[in-house]
Amino acid sequence: SQQGEEDPQALSIQEGENATMNCSYKTSINNLQWYRQNSGRGLVHLILIRSNEREKHSGRLRVTLDTSKKSSSLLITASRAADTASYFCATANQAGTALIFGKGTTLSVSS
Amino acid sequence: KAGVTQTPRYLIKTRGQQVTLSCSPISGHRSVSWYQQTPGQGLQFLFEYFSETQRNKGNFPGRFSGRQFSNSRSEMNVSTLELGDSALYLCASSSPPGQDFSYEQYFGPGTRLTVT
Repeated sequence: SQQGEEDPQALSIQEGENATMNCSYKTSINNLQWYRQNSGRGLVHLILIRSNEREKHSGRLRVTLDTSKKSSSLLITASRAADTASYFCATANQAGTALIFGKGTTLSVSS
Repeated sequence: KAGVTQTPRYLIKTRGQQVTLSCSPISGHRSVSWYQQTPGQGLQFLFEYFSETQRNKGNFPGRFSGRQFSNSRSEMNVSTLELGDSALYLCASSSPPGQDFSYEQYFGPGTRLTVT
């Protein structure tokens, strides 16, 4: 079963705009990760935020985590056409041996 | 370092047949995980191997099995294929998780399996 649920399911924006995706999860976590998947290909790790962190930046990415609401958001600033992809949040299972993914947000950036 | 490689990249099989997919992890990674991705169910965890031992298994029927070799390469097998097994099968490798289960996985490009 899915641990994380992303919102919205699909997002269409113009180049240069910001894109925000949200993720909600059900159980307590040690950390939460975001991955990107270009059409039909493997996933690429973007960023990991630990449960004791509230915000983290990596280039044009900003991730926030609110453990009280069991939610996280991924902000991509100044989007580019190359950012077109599906974005997934993931949390580790209790044993730390598997990632549980949400269903993802499909982002389309048009030029 | 070379990334995770998966072979074959594409595969077409008939219902009832069996299939074996292969995954070579990043050099030095001893953990290999397998995931199934379908439009309806999304990304679902199949199993994880570490040092040739299956440590965790997802909620899949016994037709799905796997193994890991001493060089950390892994194979997964699906027997008696069903139409619903059509999916992208992703393999991921990782080094041991950090103390807080900071468990970043590196994914291969996947094997696209079509069952007709």
